[in-house]
Amino acid sequence: NAGVTQTPKFRVLKTGQSMTLLCAQDMNHEYMYWYRQDPGMGLRLIHYSVGEGTTAKGEVPDGYNVSRLKKQNFLLGLESAAPSQTSVYFCASSYRRGPRGYIQYFGAGTRLSVL
Amino acid sequence: GIQVEQSPPDLILQEGANSTLRCNFSDSVNNLQWFHQNPWGQLINLFYIPSGTKQNGRLSATTVATERYSLLYISSSQTTDSGVYFCAEPYSGGGADGLTFGKGTHLIIQP
Repeated sequence: NAGVTQTPKFRVLKTGQSMTLLCAQDMNHEYMYWYRQDPGMGLRLIHYSVGEGTTAKGEVPDGYNVSRLKKQNFLLGLESAAPSQTSVYFCASSYRRGPRGYIQYFGAGTRLSVL
Repeated sequence: GIQVEQSPPDLILQEGANSTLRCNFSDSVNNLQWFHQNPWGQLINLFYIPSGTKQNGRLSATTVATERYSLLYISSSQTTDSGVYFCAEPYSGGGADGLTFGKGTHLIIQP
């Protein structure tokens, strides 16, 4: 049981380049989330999805797009990377049913540097 | 949205010591979670504790929802307890959204 898997683990981009981060979960969870973590900060919510085919904006959505074409996958895209997007990106998922449905399970993170 | 304040921001202890970490919230607490981020960056959910007290080994947590705070207790600290501890509450206070995190308590356990 892999849980939440993020690819890639590390990436270096030049300003203006594009890329897609992939998150996959094998727990049949309904809800999925993308966060970013900057030095000395807690995680901040970028976008989230409450089910296949749905997405919504979080706290810091600008410069990012997402898609949830399959229940198990949640993609985060950067169309034109900027140095301000240098961060560690975490994906999470939750079942969202039952008394413990709010518990979120996190991937190992993707460390992105934009030069 | 809800504001989350954690204290202390940094804590350095000797192995075997006990510690108490605190989270204060600006709004009602409904689905509070505590996480540990280890030195390799992995986030592990420690407790889901919207109210009351729970214990898991040397760790325990208490949430007093009516007073908008939560405490995490670590007893007999070990070096493997080092890392950053976060508390978090759903973004819109119990809705369908993601979590709002505090800035964390950076804990260092020295042998």
